[in-house]
Amino acid sequence: ETGVTQTPRHLVMGMTNKKSLKCEQHLGHNAMYWYKQSAKKPLELMFVYNFKEQTENNSVPSRFSPECPNSSHLFLHLHTLQPEDSALYLCASSQDKTSGGDEQFFGPGTRLTVL
Amino acid sequence: AQKVTQAQTEISVVEKEDVTLDCVYETRDTTYYLFWYKQPPSGELVFLIRRNSFDEQNEISGRYSWNFQKSTSSFNFTITASQVVDSAVYFCALSEWDYGGSQGNLIFGKGTKLSVKP
Repeated sequence: ETGVTQTPRHLVMGMTNKKSLKCEQHLGHNAMYWYKQSAKKPLELMFVYNFKEQTENNSVPSRFSPECPNSSHLFLHLHTLQPEDSALYLCASSQDKTSGGDEQFFGPGTRLTVL
Repeated sequence: AQKVTQAQTEISVVEKEDVTLDCVYETRDTTYYLFWYKQPPSGELVFLIRRNSFDEQNEISGRYSWNFQKSTSSFNFTITASQVVDSAVYFCALSEWDYGGSQGNLIFGKGTKLSVKP
């Protein structure tokens, strides 16, 4: 595998389900990001991890719970979601967030539908 | 506050036409970075270019060129002789170097959807 991979690519879940999104980067990067992309809003940054430490939570509801066990893996645990949470969830990585200007490399995204 | 504006929501051109995508940004920092990303229908954002605030040289890469002008806070993207494969949503983004711990975070514009028809 190369670059940034995300699984699953598509997910349909009910409001009472619990599911997890997985992201893996094969680039040796130290920073990882979760973004939400919906039809009505631009790309929204959700969470940022740098060297496995969460550095940003952009006022995301607690029904979204991130986990970063190591610099290569990032998870987004989902529970009790709402229909308005339906969106494309994108994962990205960069060399090191403290550098400021590193480009981010994105995965293909998980298309989430909440019924 | 930092902000990126892409005023063109959708653009439609015929193949071989030149097209320019506009990007205007706002920032309080003197050191910052500007990016362009392409999002084809598959969904993955593809990095195209990064520019830092101290380098105003225009850049050309094949059919792509970028015009960075600090005086007008703009970072426009031109595709010459467009092709159907250029059809995608294009995002401009800003990253600040030294603002309040959020360095490295990308602030995206809303994107411009480009359709190139044969």
